[in-house]
Amino acid sequence: DAGITQSPRHKVTETGTPVTLRCHQTENHRYMYWYRQDPGHGLRLIHYSYGVKDTDKGEVSDGYSVSRSKTEDFLLTLESATSSQTSVYFCAISESNSARTGELFFGEGSRLTVL
Amino acid sequence: GNSVTQMEGPVTLSEEAFLTINCTYTATGYPSLFWYVQYPGEGLQLLLKATKADDKGSNKGFEATYRKETTSFHLEKGSVQVSDSAVYFCALSEGGGADGLTFGKGTHLIIQP
Repeated sequence: DAGITQSPRHKVTETGTPVTLRCHQTENHRYMYWYRQDPGHGLRLIHYSYGVKDTDKGEVSDGYSVSRSKTEDFLLTLESATSSQTSVYFCAISESNSARTGELFFGEGSRLTVL
Repeated sequence: GNSVTQMEGPVTLSEEAFLTINCTYTATGYPSLFWYVQYPGEGLQLLLKATKADDKGSNKGFEATYRKETTSFHLEKGSVQVSDSAVYFCALSEGGGADGLTFGKGTHLIIQP
């Protein structure tokens, strides 16, 4: 199994507060992703990274920022959380030598509730 | 842009029934196609994949054939078990790993004993 750890696994916060979710990998994989999962929408890409300090926006990036200062860590930040950001967030990684096949390995998810 | 369409369910079947979950896609090029499975409380894991037309992916008794002429990648299993209860996602990738996968909305499968 790919070594992917997401933290926290569960968080309840209030509207307007900042939130940071962390994804840590022990696989030294180049590509890392943040998705959100919502009923009726499946998984939607928020941001992704193709290397240290190299990130780009996905389909639903508004209200989110990311940072990758080390290969192993990819942080997702909600600067001012809103109720529409209540969701389950998944981190995924891709091995550099199979990136062209698109195969992803997923973490166990972080459930965020914004009240 | 790329998109994936699949039946959302829930799909409820009895144990040992035949399973089909339909998936069709829209893509500008020649994508790779995937089925991912999510068991309760877990992240997604790859079930099977096909990287070119007419390829058949298979794993754990599940199969799917990449049909370019109908832009489809339907998931099938001849005899389902209670342990197959999960959410199944069809997905595609144009091949460049940097921008990840495009997923369908997921199909919730419930198998009753």
